[in-house]
Amino acid sequence: DTAVSQTPKYLVTQMGNDKSIKCEQNLGHDTMYWYKQDSKKFLKIMFSYNNKELIINETVPNRFSPKSPDKAHLNLHINSLELGDSAVYFCASSQVNGNEQFFGPGTRLTVL
Amino acid sequence: AQSVAQPEDQVNVAEGNPLTVKCTYSVSGNPYLFWYVQYPNRGLQFLLKYITGDNLVKGSYGFEAEFNKSQTSFHLKKPSALVSDSALYFCALTNAGKSTFGDGTTLTVKP
Repeated sequence: DTAVSQTPKYLVTQMGNDKSIKCEQNLGHDTMYWYKQDSKKFLKIMFSYNNKELIINETVPNRFSPKSPDKAHLNLHINSLELGDSAVYFCASSQVNGNEQFFGPGTRLTVL
Repeated sequence: AQSVAQPEDQVNVAEGNPLTVKCTYSVSGNPYLFWYVQYPNRGLQFLLKYITGDNLVKGSYGFEAEFNKSQTSFHLKKPSALVSDSALYFCALTNAGKSTFGDGTTLTVKP
């Protein structure tokens, strides 16, 4: 009964491809997030959704598009993948925006 | 703009010794402050938080943190370090719904 789950765990793809990462939380939380962690382990927030509505969109290329079909899911679609997109992407959730966050196990994306 | 600084990339301590991982922040208003731990190839885990009240906050695995408003600091502490505490630690703040994380501090506890 994983609290925040992501699929896939690993994703290896070629430049220019389109890919999606799925995230689901079974905690009943209202807010979900996507983060990017680079090779130096720096963590940067990308998006934040509250009850399926986008509330924060950091300076992220518009090749990245989050989609929230319901408040338990927040998927990340990436178009035209670039080498610089290689990173670990974490999904997280919190009961309400601003509370402590629960993180998924991460998806390691490698763009060749 | 809000920011979180973790001035030390790396902290090394001997097992059994006390440890401190430093965090300072800059923000307008009264933020919520958090510490998270990340073990290799895992997601971040919540350790503790400060919202209001007592400046000394106790959290998981024997960790505690001291909020100091005048110094805008929120240092993480533990009286006696364990080898299993070795990990990457992140300080974070949330203000007006926006979260900002520090760059992380790698803690290594040697036997």
